[in-house]
Amino acid sequence: AQKVTQAQTEISVVEKEDVTLDCVYETRDTTYYLFWYKQPPSGELVFLIRRNSFDEQNEISGRYSWNFQKSTSSFNFTITASQVVDSAVYFCALSVEGAQKLVFGQGTRLTINP
Amino acid sequence: GAGVSQSPSNKVTEKGKDVELRCDPISGHTALYWYRQSLGQGLEFLIYFQGNSAPDKSGLPSDRFSAERTGGSVSTLTIQRTQQEDSAVYLCASSLNREETQYFGPGTRLLVL
Repeated sequence: AQKVTQAQTEISVVEKEDVTLDCVYETRDTTYYLFWYKQPPSGELVFLIRRNSFDEQNEISGRYSWNFQKSTSSFNFTITASQVVDSAVYFCALSVEGAQKLVFGQGTRLTINP
Repeated sequence: GAGVSQSPSNKVTEKGKDVELRCDPISGHTALYWYRQSLGQGLEFLIYFQGNSAPDKSGLPSDRFSAERTGGSVSTLTIQRTQQEDSAVYLCASSLNREETQYFGPGTRLLVL
């Protein structure tokens, strides 16, 4: 069975601070996919990134960066110079080859204070 | 292009009534998924459709829940004899093909009184 753990339930920081959201996953499959989604107050889940298990390269997109480490089964997400618009609930998710469903973590509620 | 759309956006019903929730996937996407988001259970997979293949119903919580996908496009999730514990946000997603990235709709917020 697959499992995703986001140990941080809520994080609150002041604007312009850097913040890292943790994600730890469990699977016995060798081929799998990891995702981050953002859920702003409007409620819609917005896709941010997808990584497959064979690509451990870190990725940077503007102020967002992701650190994928298979050795620790982690896929952490860092926001640099946070902004109020980054306030949302962030979900980490996992799917494995042959099973299309996403297994989600419980989410981290991020609040950026002006 | 247009994203995934869902209707209604909100639904209030009385316990014991049946409800139908609709999902329009992104045009050209062959895979369609339903999830449920509730306070106690987080985000849970319900059902998955891929083309003309038999759906994966492994996430449906009871036989009161069913779903159809007509013509490989629009899907309807039906909940019969609704219970208060069915209150949740029902999210639909679609992907180009199996194992591709899933894109979500805005959800239907269901409240069972």
